[in-house]
Amino acid sequence: KNEVEQSPQNLTAQEGEFITINCSYSVGISALHWLQQHPGGGIVSLFMLSSGKKKHGRLIATINIQEKHSSLHITASHPRDSAVYICAVKKAQKLVFGQGTRLTINP
Amino acid sequence: SAVISQKPSRDICQRGTSLTIQCQVDSQVTMMFWYRQQPGQSLTLIATANQGSEATYESGFVIDKFPISRPNLTFSTLTVSNMSPEDSSIYLCSARERASYNEQFFGPGTRLTVL
Repeated sequence: KNEVEQSPQNLTAQEGEFITINCSYSVGISALHWLQQHPGGGIVSLFMLSSGKKKHGRLIATINIQEKHSSLHITASHPRDSAVYICAVKKAQKLVFGQGTRLTINP
Repeated sequence: SAVISQKPSRDICQRGTSLTIQCQVDSQVTMMFWYRQQPGQSLTLIATANQGSEATYESGFVIDKFPISRPNLTFSTLTVSNMSPEDSSIYLCSARERASYNEQFFGPGTRLTVL
């Protein structure tokens, strides 16, 4: 079993829909990252969380340390949100990555 | 936040050749990392590039295949040696300002195709 599990693996939605991507982990961590990877391959860091909730524009990330679970929400989704979203946890000095969620938003 | 650039952004190479990827950070950072992302897979850490000493390689990766240089606190190179089609991947450089810091920055990646 992977130390970081994401669901769903693939998600297709219509523009405007509310999107939720989930991440569960099984190890002790000092921080959790949500990353966005576009088709070109480059990775952008969206959020880094140690507790609670963060919001940036239409994106919201939450983490529940006791349940070892995090969610990434996108409100009013747009085709430009189409990308792979990756959850990564900081375990000791290293990042452990989830498999990613491929999100496609259709106009 | 640190901004990371990589060169080349993509390349197509012949089997048996080597490619060196450069990573430049716009500020001094303590830690630099090299990751590989094979098609359809998640990121895998190749090694931690140490300034002034040999890189620390993860299990399954060896210096002869992936030699790494880190001459200063802003620059590193990764060489993929004696390439085979299985080396076709995205190679990503990443950095953290301090070992104890949680925030980590990523480069734009180098997309390598080996024929």
